[in-house]
Amino acid sequence: EAGVTQFPSHSVIEKGQTVTLRCDPISGHDNLYWYRRVMGKEIKFLLHFVKESKQDESGMPNNRFLAERTGGTYSTLKVQPAELEDSGVYFCASSQVGLGYGYTFGSGTRLTVV
Amino acid sequence: GESVGLHLPTLSVQEGDNSIINCAYSNSASDYFIWYKQESGKGPQFIIDIRSNMDKRQGQRVTVLLNKTVKHLSLQIAATQPGDSAVYFCAENLGGATNKLIFGTGTLLAVQP
Repeated sequence: EAGVTQFPSHSVIEKGQTVTLRCDPISGHDNLYWYRRVMGKEIKFLLHFVKESKQDESGMPNNRFLAERTGGTYSTLKVQPAELEDSGVYFCASSQVGLGYGYTFGSGTRLTVV
Repeated sequence: GESVGLHLPTLSVQEGDNSIINCAYSNSASDYFIWYKQESGKGPQFIIDIRSNMDKRQGQRVTVLLNKTVKHLSLQIAATQPGDSAVYFCAENLGGATNKLIFGTGTLLAVQP
């Protein structure tokens, strides 16, 4: 089966610009997660979708971040306006049963804000 | 607050030796733990997991040990190979409706030929 696909793999933008990251989960996976790793620190949870609904968005850092999952398929994560501290690697993961072992991570999007 | 941390940020071993990567967790209510391997340019890859009702679980060349008394988790890799070079993360699953993971900082394992 195809894995979790993230696009783009890299993005370099200027402070104040907008960037949209996309994640295509494994087909049929209802659960979709966004995580990010900033400045070589630990990977941190951002939010969790069950189908098209946000189950938990407690990890979203502020209102400059907006995640959507229209139709319960792919998801987008928009950062507007981007700040320097948003630089990092953004990972998407999906699972069917919502258990940790069922997570499949994408390769991530490396975001650099300059 | 909840946190999962690693004692050693970098571990260098000789090819063929055994590697031990350690992790401490703080949430005593967590009942599920996972080790992930992350290679450059890739996302975290599942290695092995363990539930809190176990203290040891073995996979192919890997063993995870869980000590709930001191809230400590370790990953043992037998006969370490160059392909094992990567960053290793432990993660704690908090369960509940979200099943979100709390990750440690990561340990870089460097295998010397």
